[in-house]
Amino acid sequence: NAGVTQTPKFQVLKTGQSMTLQCAQDMNHNSMYWYRQDPGMGLRLIYYSASEGTTDKGEVPNGYNVSRLNKREFSLRLESAAPSQTSVYFCATGLAGGPKFYEQYFGPGTRLTVT
Amino acid sequence: RKEVEQDPGPFNVPEGATVAFNCTYSNSASQSFFWYRQDCRKEPKLLMSVYSSGNEDGRFTAQLNRASQYISLLIRDSKLSDSATYLCVVLHKDNFNKFYFGSGTKLNVKP
Repeated sequence: NAGVTQTPKFQVLKTGQSMTLQCAQDMNHNSMYWYRQDPGMGLRLIYYSASEGTTDKGEVPNGYNVSRLNKREFSLRLESAAPSQTSVYFCATGLAGGPKFYEQYFGPGTRLTVT
Repeated sequence: RKEVEQDPGPFNVPEGATVAFNCTYSNSASQSFFWYRQDCRKEPKLLMSVYSSGNEDGRFTAQLNRASQYISLLIRDSKLSDSATYLCVVLHKDNFNKFYFGSGTKLNVKP
């Protein structure tokens, strides 16, 4: 039972390159999320998927695209990386069980540097 | 204005001390509140939810003040293992998928 896995763990890109961050969960949760974490900014929601087949923008979606491939997998794509996208990216899952019982489970993160 | 504000710290306290963190939120439509813990270079993990009446989990006590729009976390009898960053998180009632995270308060517990 791996929980939430992310690949790769580390990545260095040059400006303008593209890449896809992968996330998979074996918790059978409906909702999946992508966040970025920058020093002094806290985690900010990029995109989320409330259920298989749906995706919605979060707080900072510009420069990113997502795909909810199936219930288990949710990928984040950077089409043309920019230095401002240097960050730690976390994938998370959760149950849509109502506000009092909601918990998010995070993957270990991907550290991305764009030069 | 940020949705959630926290004092970044660090709070440096000796073992056994009691320490309290506050967090303020700007949106009065916020309905659910949480404290997460994040160890250095690790992912966040849920510490506890915060209920209207206040709640306790062992050495940890969380309080909510809706009138003043702040949440607090009290840690009693601090342990070295409590050293981490504590993230305040709020959820608005209009979208249970949009969580807003504070930037965190760093706690260092010293021997």
